[in-house]
Amino acid sequence: DGGITQSPKYLFRKEGQNVTLSCEQNLNHDAMYWYRQDPGQGLRLIYYSQIVNDFQKGDIAEGYSVSREKKESFPLTVTSAQKNPTAFYLCASSIDLDYNSYEQYFGPGTRLTVT
Amino acid sequence: AQKVTQAQTEISVVEKEDVTLDCVYETRDTTYYLFWYKQPPSGELVFLIRRNSFDEQNEISGRYSWNFQKSTSSFNFTITASQVVDSAVYFCALSESGSGYSTLTFGKGTMLLVSP
Repeated sequence: DGGITQSPKYLFRKEGQNVTLSCEQNLNHDAMYWYRQDPGQGLRLIYYSQIVNDFQKGDIAEGYSVSREKKESFPLTVTSAQKNPTAFYLCASSIDLDYNSYEQYFGPGTRLTVT
Repeated sequence: AQKVTQAQTEISVVEKEDVTLDCVYETRDTTYYLFWYKQPPSGELVFLIRRNSFDEQNEISGRYSWNFQKSTSSFNFTITASQVVDSAVYFCALSESGSGYSTLTFGKGTMLLVSP
């Protein structure tokens, strides 16, 4: 079955440590996205990528980094520079990132807790 | 800048009641897309519908229906005869395409609680 995989579902880290969240898709989608969700809030865009080796900052990119070395994979690193990293992180993909604005499909999310 | 407002933070209904979730958007583009997503307690967002700005026809899918009105910049979502399984957070989202690239702007969501 095609879909988006995020691992792990729960992640705990100490303050000051970098942590990388995994996102893999087998939908053959070109575009991939990372969102952050805080309690009672909508989703906020961190980074997005249309093609391999290219990505763009979203609304809240500070303290985060990404890479897109393969079409299927779009890992997100939460660095120690991110002031409030505890949140629910969602990865998504869509056929393309273009004028027609295709719907995005989401993974199950990773809940990161930093203490 | 684009903006999506879901004024209802939480709605509680009893099973079999009809419920409408409101969504009001702001955009300067003439071409845009509107979406609704459902987020059950498991956390994964589930795509429900996509509508472009040129198509104002209402849509019905089973117990779900959507009312798109450009005159009031609204894209409301109605669940008829609600069920406990409808309990979730529902997000409305907007995408503009004027820049050539389109990303989604989400509202803050409406939590729907359906009790037996």
